[in-house]
Amino acid sequence: GESVGLHLPTLSVQEGDNSIINCAYSNSASDYFIWYKQESGKGPQFIIDIRSNMDKRQGQRVTVLLNKTVKHLSLQIAATQPGDSAVYFCAENTSGGYNKLIFGAGTRLAVHP
Amino acid sequence: NAGVTQTPKFRVLKTGQSMTLLCAQDMNHEYMYWYRQDPGMGLRLIHYSVGEGTTAKGEVPDGYNVSRLKKQNFLLGLESAAPSQTSVYFCASSAPLDYLTLRGLDYRTDTQYFGPGTRLTVL
Repeated sequence: GESVGLHLPTLSVQEGDNSIINCAYSNSASDYFIWYKQESGKGPQFIIDIRSNMDKRQGQRVTVLLNKTVKHLSLQIAATQPGDSAVYFCAENTSGGYNKLIFGAGTRLAVHP
Repeated sequence: NAGVTQTPKFRVLKTGQSMTLLCAQDMNHEYMYWYRQDPGMGLRLIHYSVGEGTTAKGEVPDGYNVSRLKKQNFLLGLESAAPSQTSVYFCASSAPLDYLTLRGLDYRTDTQYFGPGTRLTVL
């Protein structure tokens, strides 16, 4: 069957290392950003979000950094585990209207033991 | 709470056949969306709905129709399937920006919650 994630950029890391996944967003008016994780055969799952009035937000083992000057978003995963292997998408949103999200193409994270 | 559910999970159609994909959510969300996801690409919005009885076109609406007769359900129809519609289809729902509620799931006001997807192949 189809495999979502073919031809995606891949980040390979060793188990226990820290991972950094980057995303460039397109709309300077976007004021809300989300990282989603998508495991094979499943729908995207919310990881962490950040609003444009913040530069950094931390969750459990994850940190999102926002650089509005260069329109860049990153997701840092500490002590990467095999269960973190998935495709990661960033999404941007402009408040107002119907909550339209614009998704990036995604990055595949491969964690090796 | 089941969250967002989709039926069927898999389907194979012949060119020209029709079918309807069903999305249901039990989170009382106003907004619902249909996306398609193709290999190497992010999610592309097909149609969306901001409330019961309303629908609107997204980025790639051609060849699809939708209906939102009940708040909890959002249907995606293919009247005459084409091989180009082979894809994985995801439904999502979200609350309006000013809607705050806390239930069993960890809600964010802006976040879209996704179903597990329907893998459709058109021969």
